[in-house]
Amino acid sequence: RKEVEQDPGPFNVPEGATVAFNCTYSNSASQSFFWYRQDCRKEPKLLMSVYSSGNEDGRFTAQLNRASQYISLLIRDSKLSDSATYLCVVTSGAGSYQLTFGKGTKLSVIP
Amino acid sequence: GAVVSQHPSRVICKSGTSVKIECRSLDFQATTMFWYRQFPKQSLMLMATSNEGSKATYEQGVEKDKFLINHASLTLSTLTVTSAHPEDSSFYICSASGWDVVKDTQYFGPGTRLTVL
Repeated sequence: RKEVEQDPGPFNVPEGATVAFNCTYSNSASQSFFWYRQDCRKEPKLLMSVYSSGNEDGRFTAQLNRASQYISLLIRDSKLSDSATYLCVVTSGAGSYQLTFGKGTKLSVIP
Repeated sequence: GAVVSQHPSRVICKSGTSVKIECRSLDFQATTMFWYRQFPKQSLMLMATSNEGSKATYEQGVEKDKFLINHASLTLSTLTVTSAHPEDSSFYICSASGWDVVKDTQYFGPGTRLTVL
């Protein structure tokens, strides 16, 4: 089983749509969880951290289910500028600051 | 704040040559630097972790004699790909973390695209 699994997509959605990405991770000792965004041929950029209580940042909502080892990202009111690959990222284990990246889910927002 | 730069951004070289990539933290002290590699349509894969002044810790399957990492100062780490071959062509990205920025957060450089002919 891969350490961090994501649906690769692509997700092609119209502007204004709501889209949800899912991610599962295998290391139950992971302590920190993130969503990164990566534009084509660029470095990944932190979108948001993910907390057990769920957290929201504008149009973006992230949720974590530790029991199921499942992370989600919801994007509301999609914009053209949201087109990118979204990477699910977890720390490698308890007390570790090493990051393990999923392959990413590609999102294309269409006019 | 917390800016990381990489140089060069792109390099094309002949097979058998060595290529050095620099990673710099511009406005903070990077006690730990990480080197990643990303092949097309693949995830970022951690190659090695280096702490300032110490030898790098390589991930399984990464040849330490081929990928030489030096982290001699708190603002600079270098990755040298020795005797590069076409299969080493990839996107190399560094990241850095430090005690004077957000704890346990890695700040990524813009990456170096290596093409070996």
